[in-house]
Amino acid sequence: GIQVEQSPPDLILQEGANSTLRCNFSDSVNNLQWFHQNPWGQLINLFYIPSGTKQNGRLSATTVATERYSLLYISSSQTTDSGVYFCAVDLGGSARQLTFGSGTQLTVLP
Amino acid sequence: GAGVSQSPSNKVTEKGKDVELRCDPISGHTALYWYRQSLGQGLEFLIYFQGNSAPDKSGLPSDRFSAERTGGSVSTLTIQRTQQEDSAVYLCASSFSQETQYFGPGTRLLVL
Repeated sequence: GIQVEQSPPDLILQEGANSTLRCNFSDSVNNLQWFHQNPWGQLINLFYIPSGTKQNGRLSATTVATERYSLLYISSSQTTDSGVYFCAVDLGGSARQLTFGSGTQLTVLP
Repeated sequence: GAGVSQSPSNKVTEKGKDVELRCDPISGHTALYWYRQSLGQGLEFLIYFQGNSAPDKSGLPSDRFSAERTGGSVSTLTIQRTQQEDSAVYLCASSFSQETQYFGPGTRLLVL
C-alpha cells in the first residue's frame, strides 16, 4: 500500500517562530488533507490540498503532486498551535479511505 | 451546522464483552468512515460506506468487528468478544461526495 512519511517527528518552537512540516507519499494520490489533533484528541481539518497552494491565516500549505510531497507552513506560532499535525492521503477511485502519516508533534513554548 | 457526533465518549468494558459505538454523520454527507487510533498503530482505516453501495471492509482487523449504516445516515460499529488489544480511540468521519473528510470527537474504548 501507499506509504506516507512525515518529518520531523517532533518539533519544539519558541512562540513567534516559523516552522515547516513535510509530508512525503509514495504513490500518486487523489486527495491530501492536513489535520491538527488538539490535546483533547479532536482532528481538525486544516487543508484539503491535492495540489497547489492554499493559505488560511498564519497557516499555508503547498502540495507538489508530481514530486509526491506536501508542506505545511506555520508562521508566528502560538502556544495554541501545539499538538500533532497529520497529513493523510487517499488514492481515489474506490479507495477513498485516508492513509495517515505518523504525525509531527509540535510544542510551542511561551 | 452540527458536526460529526459520536457516542459514547468513553467506554470501559471487560474482556469478552460486546460493545457498540455510534456515529452520527453530518447531515447530507453520503460517505461515512470508521478509523481507530492506538499507540502502537497510529491512525488506521477500518470500514467505509458510500451511499447504498456495499461497504469497503478491507480495514477491519478481524471478524469480531462489524459495522452497519442504517438509512444512509447513522452508523454503528460493533466489536464482539472484546480483547485488550481493541483498546483505542475509535473515530468516525463523514464527507460529501468523497471529498474533505470531517472527523467526530471519537470514542475512547478501554478493555480491561
